[in-house]
Amino acid sequence: DAKTTQPPSMDCAEGRAANLPCNHSTISGNEYVYWYRQIHSQGPQYIIHGLKNNETNEMASLIITEDRKSSTLILPHATLRDTAVYYCIVRVNNQGGKLIFGQGTELSVKP
Amino acid sequence: NAGVTQTPKFQVLKTGQSMTLQCAQDMNHNSMYWYRQDPGMGLRLIYYSASEGTTDKGEVPNGYNVSRLNKREFSLRLESAAPSQTSVYFCASDLHRVGETQYFGPGTRLLVL
Repeated sequence: DAKTTQPPSMDCAEGRAANLPCNHSTISGNEYVYWYRQIHSQGPQYIIHGLKNNETNEMASLIITEDRKSSTLILPHATLRDTAVYYCIVRVNNQGGKLIFGQGTELSVKP
Repeated sequence: NAGVTQTPKFQVLKTGQSMTLQCAQDMNHNSMYWYRQDPGMGLRLIYYSASEGTTDKGEVPNGYNVSRLNKREFSLRLESAAPSQTSVYFCASDLHRVGETQYFGPGTRLLVL
């Protein structure tokens, strides 16, 4: 299973872009990179996912390096409600497509 | 469309008691999953069901049993609860296709005394 490495914590000023890095150097060619977040021990919330190309949706942008060994989640204009633990996950597509969660990055958005 | 629902939201058990956590999804998903989350840690997979009629062990299956009752429902049973099973339990579901999104329920908080 491909593993991911994330910084344990980050701070971001409200209104600024939050850039959350993730390393996944052992990712396989057909494995997707997923980002989820968890606010106050609620159920994890899906943010975005991608395979090779950069992706953007209403919540965030995902930048994947050309060699696919790392990625960055970008929250373009962070708000206080974006304070959460962010998980970068490489999706395992055998054995039921389970998600393997690491420790994640605790993002604190400050006024 | 309620998504993934879980009952109960909170439960207190005594050591040795049994209980069943219920999960249902209304998104016509093929696969369903049970995770647990201990304080300060990421989620760990207990059991999953890739499709109706099948179940498989995940990372931490000991002390649990599951039943995929039908396509919508997937239950998790603790036969003899232990304090080490104090945790938050999350159910999830997806279509079990490459590139699909997994959706999570709100969680069940279980305290075993």
